[in-house]
Amino acid sequence: DQQVKQNSPSLSVQEGRISILNCDYTNSMFDYFLWYKKYPAEGPTFLISISSIKDKNEDGRFTVFLNKSAKHLSLHIVPSQPGDSAVYFCAASSNSGYALNFGKGTSLLVTP
Amino acid sequence: EAGVAQSPRYKIIEKRQSVAFWCNPISGHATLYWYQQILGQGPKLLIQFQNNGVVDDSQLPKDRFSAERLKGVDSTLKIQPAKLEDSAVYLCASSRPQTFGEQYFGPGTRLTVT
Repeated sequence: DQQVKQNSPSLSVQEGRISILNCDYTNSMFDYFLWYKKYPAEGPTFLISISSIKDKNEDGRFTVFLNKSAKHLSLHIVPSQPGDSAVYFCAASSNSGYALNFGKGTSLLVTP
Repeated sequence: EAGVAQSPRYKIIEKRQSVAFWCNPISGHATLYWYQQILGQGPKLLIQFQNNGVVDDSQLPKDRFSAERLKGVDSTLKIQPAKLEDSAVYLCASSRPQTFGEQYFGPGTRLTVT
């Protein structure tokens, strides 16, 4: 069963606008959440993370928001740039194993 | 620092044949993971090593898949015999011991089983 869900397979945004990627999870034992970015023919690369004790983490143009009660997190990219076009994976882990549970990914296209 | 190395990058085999993938993690990373990513899906953990010991192999199809990490550094993942549904990208990742999440991935091996 899919414990991490990304319900939007794709998203298209104009350059300079905000990109919002969403993620839901079902396992209440998850306490660490991450976003990975993947370009074709490359492995995923770590982008940003958030611990369950926080509700927001910001790194430059990237901000991740966590709503524990709703079991929902989102990634905001502001402003979006064409180089941000990639597949974004939401992932979650718990301190029982550290392995990552991934969503199916959202393909972001930023158009000039 | 050098990243996670994997080889080969691409492999095409016929069903019922065997295949092996190799991974060299980042120096000093004690934890090593093998993931399987089927087209359109997110990566799924197959096996996790801590040094040369197995931490989690609950999702490894043990009737056909095997993995080892001798000397706690390099690792190999083997499939024998391969099935059509094994067509996927096999990703190796490594991380520092007992750290949350931040895993470093190699470029993957794309396996096609015909």
